[in-house]
Order: sequence, then C-alpha cells, then structure tokens
Amino acid sequence: KAGVTQTPRYLIKTRGQQVTLSCSPISGHRSVSWYQQTPGQGLQFLFEYFSETQRNKGNFPGRFSGRQFSNSRSEMNVSTLELGDSALYLCASSTGQGHTDTQYFGPGTRLTVL
Amino acid sequence: QKEVEQDPGPLSVPEGAIVSLNCTYSNSAFQYFMWYRQYSRKGPELLMYTYSSGNKEDGRFTAQVDKSSKYISLFIRDSQPSDSATYLCAMSGTSGTYKYIFGTGTRLKVLA
Repeated sequence: KAGVTQTPRYLIKTRGQQVTLSCSPISGHRSVSWYQQTPGQGLQFLFEYFSETQRNKGNFPGRFSGRQFSNSRSEMNVSTLELGDSALYLCASSTGQGHTDTQYFGPGTRLTVL
Repeated sequence: QKEVEQDPGPLSVPEGAIVSLNCTYSNSAFQYFMWYRQYSRKGPELLMYTYSSGNKEDGRFTAQVDKSSKYISLFIRDSQPSDSATYLCAMSGTSGTYKYIFGTGTRLKVLA
C-alpha cells in the first residue's frame, strides 16, 4: 500500500506571497491532519479534515486554510506569507475512526519564506 | 506553560546503553499516549501506543505511563546506532477532538 505523499517537497517563497501544499493520503483513509513543525515549537496541529469537512482546528491565524476533496486528497493554503511561516509542513492520514486510530505521516513539505 | 513538555536533548549514548526518554503533561484529559520516531528529512513514524496508565513492551522498546504524575517514558534497551533519531511524544484526549498534542522532540544519538 502506498504511503502518504506530499507535494512539493521543497518550496521557496517571498513574504506576501501565497502557497498551496498538497497531500494524498493512504488509500482508504478519510482523515487528513496538517501540522507545522519548527525547531522551537515542535509539531503544532493546524487542522483536520474528515470526509471533506473540517473537523478540528488548531490555534493558527486565518491565513492558514485547507480543504479536502471527495477522493480524500487535501490541500493547505497559506496566504500573505510571513518569515515565521518557514517550517516543515506535515500531513498525516488515518481512517478517522476514534482516538486509537493511527496517524501515518508523509515526508513533509519544507517551506522557506525569504 | 506548554501542555506537553519534552527535553529537547541532544542525548548521546554509547551503543548498547539503555535510553530513557520522557515527557510531562498538564492536561488530565489525555488518555492516549504515543511515541513517534523521526529520522532526518522524514515524517514521524509511530513506534508505540498506550492507553491510560501502565507499561507496554514491543521488542527493545517499553512505553510507560504514570497518569497520577502526568509523566510518560519510553525506554530503549540495547540501543543501536540505527536508533539515532528524534523521538516525539504525542497525546490525545477523549473529548472527540481527534487532535494530537506533540512534545517538541528529543534528539538521540547512539554512538557506535
């Protein structure tokens, strides 16, 4: 079974631009969660989508948004980029059924904002 | 204060040593506790999962949860250079949020 894939793997943008990241979950998984990972803050939860609906949201500003398509693929968008948005963005997929559900992570997209 | 605290390390040990990695937390609603391993330039992979207090063993790895002290540990026996990675603890509760809270990770280096 193919794992979680994320594209692109690396991205360089400048302040003020916007960016869209993509995540393809494991086949059959309906939940996709997004996380931001930085050296100082670690992994921070952005949001979770299940069956095309945002089910949970972390404490990030509205510049961070996402969506999920009917095939469970998900995109994350960051508008008006700031230097502090430089991070590794990880998505994780799971069946979405209960707290014991295992999250499987993709390799991440490394975003650098100049 | 962060909900989950984890010593960032780095922690360097000789091959064969017993490694102890720890996290403390403040939210008593956490019921599910996980340990992830993350190699450089890779996403985290689940190592161990435990529910509530107690121990769980899987090969060279033992996860321990002490809910009364709000403290969890991961022990690695007979550590190998291939265990060199960042170890992240994660927790979730029963409120139906399906949201994991992660520690910042401890970088471990096992020296051959």
